[in-house]
Amino acid sequence: NAGVTQTPKFRVLKTGQSMTLLCAQDMNHEYMYWYRQDPGMGLRLIHYSVGEGTTAKGEVPDGYNVSRLKKQNFLLGLESAAPSQTSVYFCASNQGPGTEAFFGQGTRLTVV
Amino acid sequence: SQQGEEDPQALSIQEGENATMNCSYKTSINNLQWYRQNSGRGLVHLILIRSNEREKHSGRLRVTLDTSKKSSSLLITASRAADTASYFCATEAGNFNKFYFGSGTKLNVKP
Repeated sequence: NAGVTQTPKFRVLKTGQSMTLLCAQDMNHEYMYWYRQDPGMGLRLIHYSVGEGTTAKGEVPDGYNVSRLKKQNFLLGLESAAPSQTSVYFCASNQGPGTEAFFGQGTRLTVV
Repeated sequence: SQQGEEDPQALSIQEGENATMNCSYKTSINNLQWYRQNSGRGLVHLILIRSNEREKHSGRLRVTLDTSKKSSSLLITASRAADTASYFCATEAGNFNKFYFGSGTKLNVKP
């Protein structure tokens, strides 16, 4: 039972490049989330999904897109990376309201 | 914003001492959760307290919730060096359980 797996773990992008971060969970969870963590700012919610085929915006959605084509996967896309998107990205999932969230190990992204 | 704010931002104690961290939030919540993050790792769930609960225990952890003051506290008793980590509160409200996290308390337990 792997829990929540994020790929890749590290990535360096040049400004303007695009990439997709993959999150996979094997717990049959309905809800999935993407957060970014910056020093001194805690975790900020980018986008989330309450079920297969659904997505919604969080606190800081600009510059990101997401897709949830399969229940177990939640993809985060950066169409044109900017240095301000340098951060550590975390994916999380849970079964629904009032349940604990399980986090992946994070993806450290640097945009130069 | 629902975002919780932890206090203090950093805390340094000796092994064996108790550590208390506080979390304040702005609007009504359904529940509040505490998470721990070891350096360079993902977050790990510690405890969940619902809005109709006032206190909850789990091992050496004690969490209180005061909805009238919109605040919560996490007490770690008899701390150990292995408790060194950042601790975050997360609030959940509304119809969809979006979690809003604070900026965390960085705890250092000196052996």
